[in-house]
This record gives sequence, C-alpha cells and structure tokens, in this order.
Amino acid sequence: DQQVKQNSPSLSVQEGRISILNCDYTNSMFDYFLWYKKYPAEGPTFLISISSIKDKNEDGRFTVFLNKSAKHLSLHIVPSQPGDSAVYFCAASGGSSGYALNFGKGTSLLVTP
Amino acid sequence: KAGVTQTPRYLIKTRGQQVTLSCSPISGHRSVSWYQQTPGQGLQFLFEYFSETQRNKGNFPGRFSGRQFSNSRSEMNVSTLELGDSALYLCASSLDAGGVLNFNYGYTFGSGTRLTVV
Repeated sequence: DQQVKQNSPSLSVQEGRISILNCDYTNSMFDYFLWYKKYPAEGPTFLISISSIKDKNEDGRFTVFLNKSAKHLSLHIVPSQPGDSAVYFCAASGGSSGYALNFGKGTSLLVTP
Repeated sequence: KAGVTQTPRYLIKTRGQQVTLSCSPISGHRSVSWYQQTPGQGLQFLFEYFSETQRNKGNFPGRFSGRQFSNSRSEMNVSTLELGDSALYLCASSLDAGGVLNFNYGYTFGSGTRLTVV
C-alpha cells in the first residue's frame, strides 16, 4: 500500500519561474520527510528535509513546506534552472518503518529555457 | 571525500542463479540501507544495517538477504533469481549519533547496480 503519493507524474516550468512539486502521505506517524533528485543511471541525490515538528525549511533555492493536518508537503524551487530538470522523489520515514524511507513514485520536472 | 561505492555497476544473470552485490559506505557512516528500483514499483526499501545488525527489513521474500561487516561495508544477496528481480539496486549510507540517524543530511545514495535477469 503506497503511503507516500506524488500525484503529478510530470511538470514543465519555464526557466526563472517557480516549480512546485507536491506530495501526500497517509501515515501520521511519519516524523521526517525528505526530497531527492534523480538523474537517469545515477542514485538519488539528497536535496532537503523537514522534521514533522516544523512547517517550513529553506536551503538556498529550495524550500519545503509541511502541512501536517492535510498530510501534505511541497517542494518549491525558485528560480527554476534548466539544470533542475530531473525526477524528484518525496520520501518519508518514522513510525513502525523506523529509518526506512517510503518513497513516492516521483515527478519528472522539465525546466525549459 | 569518497561517496557511496557500489560494485558491480552492471550485472546480467540467468534465472535460478544467485547474485551478490557490494556496497562501501562513506567513511564514518555506520548505517547502510538497500533499495530496489523498478519501473512498476518505484523505490522500495529492502533492509537497513547498523553495526553489523539488521535493524529493519522491507516486504521482500527470504531470497533477498544482506549482511554488514565490521568496517560497515555491506553486501546483499539474491538467491534463485527470477525475471522480476531485474532492477536497479541502490545502497545508501547515513551519519548517526549513538545509533540515531541524522536526517538533516539525509541518506547518501550510491549510483546503483543494474541487475538484469534473463
């Protein structure tokens, strides 16, 4: 049963604009949420994380927002750059799954010049 | 600082054979996890090792096993290979403090081993 869902398989954004990637989860026991970026034939690269006790975390161009009541998080990339084109995965950890990461199916982001 | 190293990068095996994949974590990382990525199921957790002990296991059959050595290097083994085991197998390592992982830095993944079963 998929506990982490990314309902948009793909997203296209113009360079310089904001990219917003969304993620929903079902398990209220998750206590950490992470975003990863992945290029083909490479392993995922960690971008940013957020603890369940926070509602926002920022690192440079990347900001993650957490809405626990809605069981929803989002990743904002501002400004978007062509090099940001990749597949983005949302992951959650905690509860009975311990340190295991439960991944969404990913959203493919294309940033066009 | 060297990243997570996985060997081999590519592997072709025949149904019924067994395979061993290797992972060397970042120096100082004691937690090593394994994930399977397939087009249909996405990224799925296999198991996590810490200080040579398996702390958690995903929902995979007993044909999938692993171990961790005293230097934190890890291996995973798949016996009696099936066509459906064809996947990208990813290893990840993480910093810890007294066994508690620090997710402020996330897990660092290797580039994976692409296993094809024919």
